[in-house]
Amino acid sequence: EDQVTQSPEALRLQEGESSSLNCSYTVSGLRGLFWYRQDPGKGPEFLFTLYSAGEEKEKERLKATLTKKESFLHITAPKPEDSATYLCAVARRGATNKLIFGTGTLLAVQP
Amino acid sequence: DAGVTQSPTHLIKTRGQQVTLRCSPKSGHDTVSWYQQALGQGPQFIFQYYEEEERQRGNFPDRFSGHQFPNYSSELNVNALLLGDSALYLCASSHNDGRYSNQPQHFGDGTRLSIL
Repeated sequence: EDQVTQSPEALRLQEGESSSLNCSYTVSGLRGLFWYRQDPGKGPEFLFTLYSAGEEKEKERLKATLTKKESFLHITAPKPEDSATYLCAVARRGATNKLIFGTGTLLAVQP
Repeated sequence: DAGVTQSPTHLIKTRGQQVTLRCSPKSGHDTVSWYQQALGQGPQFIFQYYEEEERQRGNFPDRFSGHQFPNYSSELNVNALLLGDSALYLCASSHNDGRYSNQPQHFGDGTRLSIL
């Protein structure tokens, strides 16, 4: 059964304190792995798509990496505005791009 | 360029009632998916529509049904509402550029449905 597990559930950082979020996945045939950011009361905002092991994508203070079993979202020198829930999702090869989500990591960055 | 828009933003219903939620996809998108997100959980896939047909369905009962219109907009209908249907309902749209399309899904801000 396809499954996505994210850790930690919650993470509190001081401004400027770099860290990583983990997303472990099990899927029969990876179509793509997706990272989203979700602010309270809002829908998920697309960040990155990763397709194959070894791939990396960067956007401002965020960098996403992918292996055959997990993905990391590295946050370098975070700012308070980076506080949000970060969701990881996978899509399996098949007829549709249905997303299977993890439960997310709630990140709080304190000034 | 308008993103995905959903209406209404909030809705309160009682058990046994039915509800219709609406979604307009992002400009240029032709595929609409619906997700249910319970508090503290990740979104769960309900179903996906493309070319006005349901392409795939998640583990949701037949009380959940949908429709896609020729302009690509979509509706989610839920009958015989239960307390457990209280959640944020998210619509996501994408562009289907082929059988193995990997275009990302873009989400609206959802409809918060509360069942009393």
